[in-house]
Amino acid sequence: QQQVKQSPQSLIVQKGGISIINCAYENTAFDYFPWYQQFPGKGPALLIAIRPDVSEKKEGRFTISFNKSAKQFSLHIMDSQPGDSATYFCAASSYNTDKLIFGTGTRLQVFP
Amino acid sequence: GAVVSQHPSWVICKSGTSVKIECRSLDFQATTMFWYRQFPKQSLMLMATSNEGSKATYEQGVEKDKFLINHASLTLSTLTVTSAHPEDSSFYICSAGGERGNNSPLHFGNGTRLTVT
Repeated sequence: QQQVKQSPQSLIVQKGGISIINCAYENTAFDYFPWYQQFPGKGPALLIAIRPDVSEKKEGRFTISFNKSAKQFSLHIMDSQPGDSATYFCAASSYNTDKLIFGTGTRLQVFP
Repeated sequence: GAVVSQHPSWVICKSGTSVKIECRSLDFQATTMFWYRQFPKQSLMLMATSNEGSKATYEQGVEKDKFLINHASLTLSTLTVTSAHPEDSSFYICSAGGERGNNSPLHFGNGTRLTVT
């Protein structure tokens, strides 16, 4: 119930393309869903986050789509750039704790 | 923005020795900090929740006597790996956020690469 499933494990996208990463959860108590970007040897950096009262949130080239009934959410990176090459983690937490449960990660490679 | 500083960024130690890792919130107070462990090409696994002024809460399977956590102030939590062994070699990352129960964004340190020889 505490798991957050993430796919794909790895993703190769051409520069300018759209990168899509999907996550699914089981625990209905989760109500905060952030996405983190991690470069090798560094800690994760918060990219964008969503709460279940909205179905979509956009910040620049990054968009989260959220489907509460299906318990799924996804990250879309528009106009992907080589600098976006990193590992992306979805995560989830519930209101009464800041304890984040992470997905398994997606390694994104964007080729010029 | 909020900054979480972690020190050292890397450390090599011999088997049987202890290593202390510091996590500081630089521009905000954190009543709660979290310690994660990450193996190569794997996800972050929560080890424990560090609570200022009280005992840490450990996740299932994490040895509290091996991974000692001290959260002595609102800006500092330390993780001590005691009697380290090669299997403890990993990337340790701390995080901190705002008020508990507010889903405030968690910010992460840059991690500590521990190698036990």
